[in-house]
Amino acid sequence: GQQVMQIPQYQHVQEGEDFTTYCNSSTTLSNIQWYKQRPGGHPVFLIQLVKSGEVKKQKRLTFQFGEAKKNSSLHITATQTTDVGTYFCLYNNNDMRFGAGTRLTVKP
Amino acid sequence: EAGVAQSPRYKIIEKRQSVAFWCNPISGHATLYWYQQILGQGPKLLIQFQNNGVVDDSQLPKDRFSAERLKGVDSTLKIQPAKLEDSAVYLCASSLRFPGTADSGANVLTFGAGSRLTVL
Repeated sequence: GQQVMQIPQYQHVQEGEDFTTYCNSSTTLSNIQWYKQRPGGHPVFLIQLVKSGEVKKQKRLTFQFGEAKKNSSLHITATQTTDVGTYFCLYNNNDMRFGAGTRLTVKP
Repeated sequence: EAGVAQSPRYKIIEKRQSVAFWCNPISGHATLYWYQQILGQGPKLLIQFQNNGVVDDSQLPKDRFSAERLKGVDSTLKIQPAKLEDSAVYLCASSLRFPGTADSGANVLTFGAGSRLTVL
């Protein structure tokens, strides 16, 4: 069956440092979405990637979809304390399943 | 636009009791999902409805969990009897269309605030 691994499980950074989380699939994905869940909150949609090699930016966040559509990454430049939370990929092959998430903590 | 409504927000029950959660999706959203999120883990898809039909319930423990979406609008998720390992947040989400449709924005999930279940 389809396997999607999200790494790392945890990341602790000093404010101002960069952060990256990765989702890697054993099979080709039709598209991938990224969500952020603040502590005690619910997942909130960030971005969707559909095309091979696609790169999208939202202010300090950069999202990439691999050429083979098997992997994706979310990169945050110069983290801030407001970036704290868990970042999930949601892979979509006609069902909507989440990766395990990367929990980001930021030390001021 | 009103969001996804869920109730109750919190529920504490003893094992072997039953519990029901309710979800009202965003108006016009055809697809509805129930996820189970255990503390420290990613949401696990339990069941997915397209209008009032079940699309995927492969991860639903059918011996104790049931869900329905009568009339293709709101939905209920029931657990009977509950076990200790059912302690989790139950998240309901909806999307405009079924995943895989040509409109790439139509399968974005909007989540409710969740229902936190504690089984003692």
